[in-house]
Amino acid sequence: GENVEQHPSTLSVQEGDSAVIKCTYSDSASNYFPWYKQELGKRPQLIIDIRSNVGEKKDQRIAVTLNKTAKHFSLHITETQPEDSAVYFCAAINTGTASKLTFGTGTRLQVTL
Amino acid sequence: EAGVTQFPSHSVIEKGQTVTLRCDPISGHDNLYWYRRVMGKEIKFLLHFVKESKQDESGMPNNRFLAERTGGTYSTLKVQPAELEDSGVYFCASSQEMGFGEQFFGPGTRLTVL
Repeated sequence: GENVEQHPSTLSVQEGDSAVIKCTYSDSASNYFPWYKQELGKRPQLIIDIRSNVGEKKDQRIAVTLNKTAKHFSLHITETQPEDSAVYFCAAINTGTASKLTFGTGTRLQVTL
Repeated sequence: EAGVTQFPSHSVIEKGQTVTLRCDPISGHDNLYWYRRVMGKEIKFLLHFVKESKQDESGMPNNRFLAERTGGTYSTLKVQPAELEDSGVYFCASSQEMGFGEQFFGPGTRLTVL
């Protein structure tokens, strides 16, 4: 089955700096990669996703890149703000065979003033 | 529009007891998923309902876990008897479509087994 690894487990950046979270996946048939953000005490929420036919996707200060050959994808947050502090989860799914998300272990991002 | 709701938000039980978790998906969402996060680890898939049918239950850890979705609306997840390793946060999610359809998560139920 699919296996997703995520690094780093914790990340501390100063406000205004950029943050990068990296994930690798094992199943080359995976074709959809969502990212979820979970703020303290709240539910995980989808913040951005990318399909395998696209190499990069941007939404304001966040972007995701995908390298299918290397089987890794990354989340980039620019101009970080305190409200970006949360746990971020990457996930992978092979939509052709299943609907279950396989998640990484999460990255706790702390944005300091 | 109301999001996915889960009840209870917290549950503390003793080993050997029974606990039932409930999930109410977003209205109209045929797909309902259960996931679990054990302390510090990844969020792991448990099972997937399409309406009232179990589409995929490959993640259910053992036969102490029983999930139901009678009538294709809300779902329950029963753990009987509970073991220490069952402690964690149980998330429910729902989606309108399978595959690329966004999965909307509930706030989770934190289960502690003493």
